[in-house]
Amino acid sequence: DTEVTQTPKHLVMGMTNKKSLKCEQHMGHRAMYWYKQKAKKPPELMFVYSYEKLSINESVPSRFSPECPNSSLLNLHLHALQPEDSALYLCASSQVVRVSPEYFGPGTRLTVL
Amino acid sequence: LAKTTQPISMDSYEGQEVNITCSHNNIATNDYITWYQQFPSQGPRFIIQGYKTKVTNEVASLFIPADRKSSTLSLPRVSLSDTAVYYCLVGPPMNTGFQKLVFGTGTRLLVSP
Repeated sequence: DTEVTQTPKHLVMGMTNKKSLKCEQHMGHRAMYWYKQKAKKPPELMFVYSYEKLSINESVPSRFSPECPNSSLLNLHLHALQPEDSALYLCASSQVVRVSPEYFGPGTRLTVL
Repeated sequence: LAKTTQPISMDSYEGQEVNITCSHNNIATNDYITWYQQFPSQGPRFIIQGYKTKVTNEVASLFIPADRKSSTLSLPRVSLSDTAVYYCLVGPPMNTGFQKLVFGTGTRLLVSP
């Protein structure tokens, strides 16, 4: 099984809602990543987890809260988002922390109203 | 991390060979060069990675000159399904510090019949 899965595929939320994005991989990878991608822009790194510990936080606002409950699962908890947070949120994984992750998921398209 | 520069867009026709060049003048000694392909509303897909000279796989070839200040992704006999954005990423194989992990602007390849 060489894939990263993400749920949901699409999410629409209001600015007062709390929601979570989920990412899963069963390749035994010990590094997992969250990226944010706006339309026609390259992906921007948000967080990196290495062996279930937060390794890198690229100065992301606290309304985004990552969680890595185990080596296969990565969550991104969302609260009090702004319309400008609407984007494609991508999860990635690699065997160990790398500049260039090996596998990306299909993404969750988030719209904040 | 080394800053990368790519052409914003390229056009080609089915069956032609396409070469996309990435400039990375300040590449470090231990940096690798990685290329990704991304279709709209999907996660990037790892295509190829190399350190020097030439690397070839079933999808593409990567040419890296001796000074390593640039690299060329070569796609043989492109088809319509190769229409995508191609990103070049340069950095060490393992991220060991608070380095900003940045994708370049990418090259939009349009393949026409």
